[in-house]
Amino acid sequence: DAGITQSPRYKITETGRQVTLMCHQTWSHSYMFWYRQDLGHGLRLIYYSAAADITDKGEVPDGYVVSRSKTENFPLTLESATRSQTSVYFCASSESRLAGRLFTTDTQYFGPGTRLTVL
Amino acid sequence: QKEVEQNSGPLSVPEGAIASLNCTYSDRGSQSFFWYRQYSGKSPELIMFIYSNGDKEDGRFTAQLNKASQYVSLLIRDSQPSDSATYLCAMSAHGTSYGKLTFGQGTILTVHP
Repeated sequence: DAGITQSPRYKITETGRQVTLMCHQTWSHSYMFWYRQDLGHGLRLIYYSAAADITDKGEVPDGYVVSRSKTENFPLTLESATRSQTSVYFCASSESRLAGRLFTTDTQYFGPGTRLTVL
Repeated sequence: QKEVEQNSGPLSVPEGAIASLNCTYSDRGSQSFFWYRQYSGKSPELIMFIYSNGDKEDGRFTAQLNKASQYVSLLIRDSQPSDSATYLCAMSAHGTSYGKLTFGQGTILTVHP
């Protein structure tokens, strides 16, 4: 049971380069999320997706692009990396379910993270 | 005002003591509440979730929710050095799109022998 995986685990790149972080989950969860975690800011949502081909911006989307052509994959691309994008990036997935008449979020499960350094 | 605020910490307790972690929130629409634990260099992992007012116990952990006062807490009984980690509270609102969670900043807990 692979769960949710991220690659690469560590990445060093230079300012201006394009970088893609991969996220893959084996649970067929509908929802997937990208967060960045920085000291003093906690976990901040970058982008999220409710299903294949449905994505939306989170709290800090500038400079990032996502796609979701398949349910199990949710890559995050930094189009032109900047030093301020040096961070630890976490991917997460969850399934939503009905609780009475309302949808409720279920637990988000996190990948192991990617530590990105932009020089 | 931040949507989710946690006691700033760091919190240090002796082994065997009760550790109390608190979280307040501003969105009265918040309905689902989660506590995650994050060891240094690792990803967050779920400890507990709570939806209803009152207490929910799971082993040494008790989550407490008071929607009228807009706070949620986590008590760790018989604290162990292995409980030393950053604890994140998170919440979402029923019916909001895509199951987004809002996280607090985290509280660093150290349990010393």
